[in-house]
Amino acid sequence: KQEVTQIPAALSVPEGENLVLNCSFTDSAIYNLQWFRQDPGKGLTSLLLIQSSQREQTSGRLNASLDKSSGRSTLYIAASQPGDSATYLCAALTYNNNDMRFGAGTRLTVKP
Amino acid sequence: DVKVTQSSRYLVKRTGEKVFLECVQDMDHENMFWYRQDPGLGLRLIYFSYDVKMKEKGDIPEGYSVSREKKERFSLILESASTNQTSMYLCASSWVTGQGFDEQFFGPGTRLTVL
Repeated sequence: KQEVTQIPAALSVPEGENLVLNCSFTDSAIYNLQWFRQDPGKGLTSLLLIQSSQREQTSGRLNASLDKSSGRSTLYIAASQPGDSATYLCAALTYNNNDMRFGAGTRLTVKP
Repeated sequence: DVKVTQSSRYLVKRTGEKVFLECVQDMDHENMFWYRQDPGLGLRLIYFSYDVKMKEKGDIPEGYSVSREKKERFSLILESASTNQTSMYLCASSWVTGQGFDEQFFGPGTRLTVL
């Protein structure tokens, strides 16, 4: 059964810093991997979706990479801003069983 | 833009009440999902539906049922609410692809408290 891990659980950085959030998965037979942002008490907002055939996806200051062989995905945030403060979750969809597993999330705080 | 709406942002019910949570999506997605999110346990799938009147159990279906009479609407039903069903409930939808689910889009969530 797929397990998805996000480390660290919480991260605090000063404004302007570039940062990397990590996502690890145990079963490399994934169909896609999706990154989400969640603000307190709110739903999930889709940030980036990487298909298994892709290595990375970019949207504005965000760049997500995927390395299936090592079971890892990273979300790179450039020039962080206080408005980036939120919890970031990754989710991996495994082939053949439509099993989508979520990580527990990394709570990011960007200090002005 | 894809829009997924949920009928209530906050809901307070009594133990034993029957509770209906409604979700509507406007993108003609085939798949719809109900999750619950609890601190320390993350998101867990309750049920999903891949077509009208079709449903599949997720990880934690006990105590819940679902209904999908129309493609755009997916309802979660708590037959007899209990305090351990106090949680944040999240609905999502996606297109279906050849291999499975495509990008999932989430609603704003319903915070349910059962007293």
